[in-house]
Amino acid sequence: QVKLQESGPGLVKPSGTLSLTCSVSGGSISKSVWWNWVRQPPGKGLEWLGEIAHNGRTNYNPSLQSRVTISVDKSKNQFSLKLASVTAADTAMYYCARAPDATVTLIPFFDLWGQGILVTVSS
Amino acid sequence: SSELTQDPSVSVALGRTVRITCQGDSLRKYYASWYLQKPGQAPILVIYGKNNRPSGIPDRFSGSSSGNTASLTITGAQAEDEADYYCNSRDNSGNHRLFGGGTKLTVL
Repeated sequence: QVKLQESGPGLVKPSGTLSLTCSVSGGSISKSVWWNWVRQPPGKGLEWLGEIAHNGRTNYNPSLQSRVTISVDKSKNQFSLKLASVTAADTAMYYCARAPDATVTLIPFFDLWGQGILVTVSS
Repeated sequence: SSELTQDPSVSVALGRTVRITCQGDSLRKYYASWYLQKPGQAPILVIYGKNNRPSGIPDRFSGSSSGNTASLTITGAQAEDEADYYCNSRDNSGNHRLFGGGTKLTVL
């Protein structure tokens, strides 16, 4: 059974870089899927941040593209999120999630989620 | 288009049927998926594609789609169905994923 687990600092200073890692257990990160990051500010809705495919291709939310980087470390079966120049508006629960490739089916969906990690931006 | 639109809140009497909708231009090309989220918990996939339910999701949950609108129907709503529901899909370019703003379902 594949599981996802987010890890990283729960507190980041304004103007700093938020760095999170999602560890994939029970399966290979090299499968033909997309590995995603989604966040949810307190009391608000879900926001997609970006994704990385098994071949390293990335897609980012246009509103955050200049600040977001997603990478994968196959040797550690992990993928990571970096969000630069953070402000209080980046305070949120951050989730990693897996999405099967939908290029042929045109059925995009997330079939597996981590439990989430709360990141607060504050001095 | 780069937007999926949901009604902010919907209510239903216990045991009755409720439909939650999601509108967006990209839904003419891509199917929507639906997620249930309860306070303090991660989202859970309930419907994907035309009308597919993951293992463990009750059959009172069903999905449908017409034109630019996807719908999630709960037939015989239960108290435990009270939650926030989000739709998700891709934009027309296929390079970005979108979430609807979410619908808060209240079971009366």
